[in-house]
Amino acid sequence: GQNIDQPTEMTATEGAIVQINCTYQTSGFNGLFWYQQHAGEAPTFLSYNVLDGLEEKGRFSSFLSRSKGYSYLLLKELQMKDSASYLCAPMTTDSWGKLQFGAGTQVVVTP
Amino acid sequence: DADVTQTPRNRITKTGKRIMLECSQTKGHDRMYWYRQDPGLGLRLIYYSFDVKDINKGEISDGYSVSRQAQAKFSLSLESAIPNQTALYFCATSDLGEANTGELFFGEGSRLTVL
Repeated sequence: GQNIDQPTEMTATEGAIVQINCTYQTSGFNGLFWYQQHAGEAPTFLSYNVLDGLEEKGRFSSFLSRSKGYSYLLLKELQMKDSASYLCAPMTTDSWGKLQFGAGTQVVVTP
Repeated sequence: DADVTQTPRNRITKTGKRIMLECSQTKGHDRMYWYRQDPGLGLRLIYYSFDVKDINKGEISDGYSVSRQAQAKFSLSLESAIPNQTALYFCATSDLGEANTGELFFGEGSRLTVL
């Protein structure tokens, strides 16, 4: 199995920036996904990183360091609708096609 | 209409009853999955199927069974429901063709309560 660690909860103000860290221990790494999940709803895809570095997509960016087993999701210009749980999910050759998810980081955006 | 559809969306049942959750998809994907989600534990894989003739156990398959009736349909059964199977259940699909990463596409979820 995999060991996936991310903070349980983070709180930030509307308009601010929040960085959600994820560390993982795997073998045969094949990329890492971030999903967003609003309460009671299905997870939705945010990003996929397979190479080291930063991938930017609008207000959201995701970073990966394969050697450190580390990723972060950066949310900029926070909006109230960004209040959700953010799930980190590394993919390995063993888990290819069957993602394992971290427990998620609940982000609370306050006015 | 949703590409991945789950029925029922909500169900309350009693201990010992048999329950079936159904999933159908119009994405044409070969791979289908069932996950359950509990507060603080995240999503955990119950069963997965890579094609119609392939069924595999996930992390937490005990107490569950599945059937892949067609490429588009994957159902999850609880033969004798118990209260600790109260959870939110998600069906998902993926396509691992050359251009795809293995991204999962989720249904809207089925909330099951076992009394």
